Amino acid sequence: EAGVVQSPRYKIIEKKQPVAFWCNPISGHNTLYWYRQNLGQGPELLIRYENEEAVDDSQLPKDRFSAERLKGVDSTLKIQPAELGDSAVYLCASSSGGGSTDTQYFGPGTRLTVL
Amino acid sequence: DQQVKQNSPSLSVQEGRISILNCDYTNSMFDYFLWYKKYPAEGPTFLISISSIKDKNEDGRFTVFLNKSAKHLSLHIVPSQPGDSAVYFCAASSTGANSKLTFGKGITLSVRP
Repeated sequence: EAGVVQSPRYKIIEKKQPVAFWCNPISGHNTLYWYRQNLGQGPELLIRYENEEAVDDSQLPKDRFSAERLKGVDSTLKIQPAELGDSAVYLCASSSGGGSTDTQYFGPGTRLTVL
Repeated sequence: DQQVKQNSPSLSVQEGRISILNCDYTNSMFDYFLWYKKYPAEGPTFLISISSIKDKNEDGRFTVFLNKSAKHLSLHIVPSQPGDSAVYFCAASSTGANSKLTFGKGITLSVRP
């Protein structure tokens, strides 16, 4: 079974440019998560989807970040405009359910560098 | 405010010996705890978990111990193998519809051959 797929794996952009990340979760997983991992830190949740509904976006900086999961499968996370402090690894994860004991499976992440 | 703390950034052990990775938490609402393992350029991989109704959970070479009164958990790996060299994240959550995982900063484990 294929795992969580993310693209691109690496992205380098100049500040004020837009950038988008794509995630394809494990087949059949209804819950999808986007995390940001800063250097030397653990992952921090940005947004959680149950099917196509964003059920927790309290940590998403909505002035510049947006996300969508239109058909309840693939998801896109966008930053516009990017700032230097957005440099981080952006991880996507999925799980079969949204409960606290449902195992989250992570993709390899997209490493973003903002110059 | 770090609710999950992994105070030791790194640990080095000899192959065949025991590795003990520690984690402390401050939120008394946390009732489910997990360890994730991460290799370079890969995403975190689930390793083992424990519910607050237990004080020990074992899976092969990996055992997690939970001390609720001390708000402390530890991961024991025995015997340690060079392939165990990775970053280990402790994570915690509380039961509820909107529960989310809170991660520590991670510990880099190096197992010397």
